[in-house]
Amino acid sequence: NAGVTQTPKFQVLKTGQSMTLQCAQDMNHNSMYWYRQDPGMGLRLIYYSASEGTTDKGEVPNGYNVSRLNKREFSLRLESAAPSQTSVYFCASFERNQETQYFGPGTRLLVL
Amino acid sequence: KQEVTQIPAALSVPEGENLVLNCSFTDSAIYNLQWFRQDPGKGLTSLLLIQSSQREQTSGRLNASLDKSSGRSTLYIAASQPGDSATYLCAVPTSNTGKLIFGQGTTLQVKP
Repeated sequence: NAGVTQTPKFQVLKTGQSMTLQCAQDMNHNSMYWYRQDPGMGLRLIYYSASEGTTDKGEVPNGYNVSRLNKREFSLRLESAAPSQTSVYFCASFERNQETQYFGPGTRLLVL
Repeated sequence: KQEVTQIPAALSVPEGENLVLNCSFTDSAIYNLQWFRQDPGKGLTSLLLIQSSQREQTSGRLNASLDKSSGRSTLYIAASQPGDSATYLCAVPTSNTGKLIFGQGTTLQVKP
């Protein structure tokens, strides 16, 4: 039982490049989330998926797209990376009857 | 709009001290409140979850309290140890969908 996994762990991009951050969970949770963490600002919600086949914007969705590929996988795509997207990205999953979210180890992204 | 604030941003104490971390929130209509621990370069681990109907929750040397009327929660750590050094974040869900609003975190250093 690996919980929530994220790939890659670290990535360097040049401005304008694109990439997809991958997330998978093996807990059969319905809901999945993408957050970004910046110094002094805590975690902020980018997008979430309440269930397979649905996605919704969070607090800071601009510049990102998401795909809920199936119940296990939820990817985050940066179509044209900008230096402001330098951050640590966390994926999380949640099931209502368990009440707490489970977080992945994070992806550290540097955009030059 | 719910806002969550943690003060102080950083705290350094000698080993063995009892300490209190603070979390405040602006909207008292919360489902629950969670405290997370984040080690450097790692993801978040849930420490304690307090339901809106509860006043406190305990796990080992940790005790979390909740006062909805004043919009405050505290995390009490007894007999602190160097292994407690980490960033502690509090978070409240915006609804029962699991979307979380985080505070900025308090980075704790416990010196031997």
